[in-house]
Amino acid sequence: DQQVKQNSPSLSVQEGRISILNCDYTNSMFDYFLWYKKYPAEGPTFLISISSIKDKNEDGRFTVFLNKSAKHLSLHIVPSQPGDSAVYFCAASVGSSNTGKLIFGQGTTLQVKP
Amino acid sequence: KAGVTQTPRYLIKTRGQQVTLSCSPISGHRSVSWYQQTPGQGLQFLFEYFSETQRNKGNFPGRFSGRQFSNSRSEMNVSTLELGDSALYLCASSETGGVGYTFGSGTRLTVV
Repeated sequence: DQQVKQNSPSLSVQEGRISILNCDYTNSMFDYFLWYKKYPAEGPTFLISISSIKDKNEDGRFTVFLNKSAKHLSLHIVPSQPGDSAVYFCAASVGSSNTGKLIFGQGTTLQVKP
Repeated sequence: KAGVTQTPRYLIKTRGQQVTLSCSPISGHRSVSWYQQTPGQGLQFLFEYFSETQRNKGNFPGRFSGRQFSNSRSEMNVSTLELGDSALYLCASSETGGVGYTFGSGTRLTVV
């Protein structure tokens, strides 16, 4: 039972353009969502998070949007840079931010072309 | 400050053996979680320890176990290894748990 789904295994964008990564979830109890980036041979790196009481959170070039009615969140990267090329995972948790249990999506490989 | 350290980085074991993986969290972090990453299943939560107590557990068989010491260092153990246990095992730490986890680089376990 895949509670968090990233339906696009890969995405390719041109440098300077916007990258939009999508994530859907099925468990309405999820109340905290996170995005991680992973390079080969390294552990995932925390990027940005959003609480279910918000619909948008911004941090520099990264913005996460949450649509609770659609059970959908997206990560926007503007402008995209070649160094952003990595695997991006969305993750969700129940019980706000004070839980160590995260449910991850399968990941989307982003390639940013120079 | 030093990041999350996992040892060893690579490990090859034979079916039926048991293995112990180690994780040293960032200094001051009391929560340690473990994840298994495989190509087919993605990142799956194994368990979380906080102040030496297991606080959360994922859906893995009892062959997978863990513990946390008073200095917050953690170990996970897999007994009676199966070929399907071949995976990247990731440890993550945070001060109290949850958001803003810092992951280690993982231990790549291969079962032959």
